[in-house]
This record gives sequence, structure tokens and C-alpha cells, in this order.
Amino acid sequence: EAGVAQSPRYKIIEKRQSVAFWCNPISGHATLYWYQQILGQGPKLLIQFQNNGVVDDSQLPKDRFSAERLKGVDSTLKIQPAKLEDSAVYLCASSGPRAGELFFGEGSRLTVL
Amino acid sequence: AQSVTQLDSQVPVFEEAPVELRCNYSSSVSVYLFWYVQYPNQGLQLLLKYLSGSTLVKGINGFEAEFNKSQTSFHLRKPSVHISDTAEYFCAVDSGYSTLTFGKGTMLLVSP
Repeated sequence: EAGVAQSPRYKIIEKRQSVAFWCNPISGHATLYWYQQILGQGPKLLIQFQNNGVVDDSQLPKDRFSAERLKGVDSTLKIQPAKLEDSAVYLCASSGPRAGELFFGEGSRLTVL
Repeated sequence: AQSVTQLDSQVPVFEEAPVELRCNYSSSVSVYLFWYVQYPNQGLQLLLKYLSGSTLVKGINGFEAEFNKSQTSFHLRKPSVHISDTAEYFCAVDSGYSTLTFGKGTMLLVSP
């Protein structure tokens, strides 16, 4: 079974530039999550989708971050414009019917200079 | 609102020694509790989970955890660690909406 795929693995940009991350969840998983993990901290939920609908985006900085999952499968997370404090690893995860069992991708590491 | 506190940011231990990683949670409703492990440059992987039933749960790689409702704790234990257990461990809580809140993590450093 293929795992959660994310790209790119690494990205370096300058502040005020834009960046996009892509995630393809495990086939058949209805729920998709984007987490932000800043160095030395635990993952923080940015947005949670159920199929193509948003379940929770309360911690998403909507003035600069956006995410979509148009066909209920893969998803894109965009940051525009980026700030220094956005430097982090962006983790995508998906889950099936088992409560709380999330499957994570390897993450996309963003460095903002 | 729910939250998770991992009391130790780093736990150094010698190989074959026992280890306990501490986790306390706060929630106003019944919770599900989880431990995830993150190896360097990898995503998180589920170690074990408590949903209901027996308060002692066993997971992969010889780890176990005990749910203590009165102390709002879910400490992770292993009787004998290996070098390969060196990783970051995250405790997480879910109040039933499949939305996990993670702690800040505990780095387990196993040395020979």
C-alpha cells in the first residue's frame, strides 16, 4: 500500500515570495490534514478536510495561507506571502475509519530567508 | 479546549535500561489518547492508542502506556530500550472528532 506522498521535500524561498506544497493521501482515506511543525515543537493542525469539505481551519492564518482539496483526493497548501516565522516542516496526513490513526507523509521542509 | 503536556523535552538513557516518557492531558470530555514516534527526517508513525477498555495498552516495538483518568496521564514505558529507539515521541489527544492535538515532544536519546 502506497503511503502519503508529499512534494517538494525541501524548499528555500525569500520572505514575501510564495510557495505551494502538494499532498496525495493514501487511497480511500476520506480525511486529510495539514500540520505545521516548527523546530522543537509538536505538530500544529492547520486544516482538516473530510472529502473535499473543511472540518477545521481555526488555526490557519487565512491572510497568507490557503488550502484546497477540490476533488476530495489530493491537496495543495499555499503560502503567499511567506514570512520568516513560516519556516517549518509542513506535514500532510490522512486517516481512514480507525479513530485517531493518522498516516503521515515525510513532510516538506520550508526555509524562509 | 484540550491540551497535552509532555514534561520532559529530552530523556537520555543507556541501552537496555527502562524508560518512561511522561504525558499529561487536559480535556473537558472523554478522550482518546495516542503516542506517535518520529525518526529523523521522517513523518510521524503511530506507536499505540487508547480508545476504551483496558487502561494498559501495548504498541509496536515493545512500548506500552497506561491511561490514568484520575491523574489525567498517559505515560509511555519500555522495559529495555535499544539504540534504534532514539527518536522523538509525541503524545496526542483526540476529543472525538479525529482532530489530534499534539504535545511538544520528548526526544529519547539512547546511548551504548
